[in-house]
Amino acid sequence: NAGVTQTPKFQVLKTGQSMTLQCAQDMNHEYMSWYRQDPGMGLRLIHYSVGAGITDQGEVPNGYNVSRSTTEDFPLRLLSAAPSQTSVYFCASTRTGAKVGEKLFFGSGTQLSVL
Amino acid sequence: SQQGEEDPQALSIQEGENATMNCSYKTSINNLQWYRQNSGRGLVHLILIRSNEREKHSGRLRVTLDTSKKSSSLLITASRAADTASYFCATAPYGGATNKLIFGTGTLLAVQP
Repeated sequence: NAGVTQTPKFQVLKTGQSMTLQCAQDMNHEYMSWYRQDPGMGLRLIHYSVGAGITDQGEVPNGYNVSRSTTEDFPLRLLSAAPSQTSVYFCASTRTGAKVGEKLFFGSGTQLSVL
Repeated sequence: SQQGEEDPQALSIQEGENATMNCSYKTSINNLQWYRQNSGRGLVHLILIRSNEREKHSGRLRVTLDTSKKSSSLLITASRAADTASYFCATAPYGGATNKLIFGTGTLLAVQP
C-alpha cells in the first residue's frame, strides 16, 4: 500500500516556466488537498477537492490550477512560475474529511526552486 | 491569516525529560489535530481531539484542549532522541470545508541524547 505518492521530489524551474506536480493516492480517499510549506509559515492550503470533478480554492490559490478527473489523482499546475512559488509542496488525502475527525495522510513532498 | 501560532518556536531538552508545546488558534473548531514532521519528510498524524473533549492520551502523548481560550497543548513524556522533529497543530474550523485544516507555524523539538 503506497499511500500518497508525489512526483517529482525535487524540481528547479526558471521564472515563467510551467509545470505540473503529480499526486496520486491508492486509498480510495474522496478528499485531497495541496499545501505549501515555507519557513516560519507552517503549511498553507492552496487548493482542495472533495471528489472527482469538484475542486475549490484554499488560502493561497493564486498562480496555481488543479483538476480532479479521477479519485486517485490530483495534479497541481503552476501556470507561470515565479520566485515567490519557491517552496515545499505537500499533497494530502483523507477518507471523509478532517472536519468530521479524519486524519490527513501526506505525501513526502516536492521541493521546488524557481530561479 | 487564519493560521494559529505555536509556542515555543523551538525547544531543546534532554532525553528522559518531558516536552510541552502550546498551540493557539483563532476560530471555533470541530477538532484539533497534532502532526509530526521529521526533517525533509511529510507530516504524520499523531492525535486528534474533538471540540467537546478536554484531554486525550495516546501512549506517551497527552493533549489538552481549552476551547474558551482557543488553545491546546501537547505533552510528550519521557522524551527520546527519536522524538526530535517539528510538531504542528492543525484545526478543522467549525463551518469550514470538509477537509480544510489550518496549520500552525510549528515547534521544532530537539531531544539531546
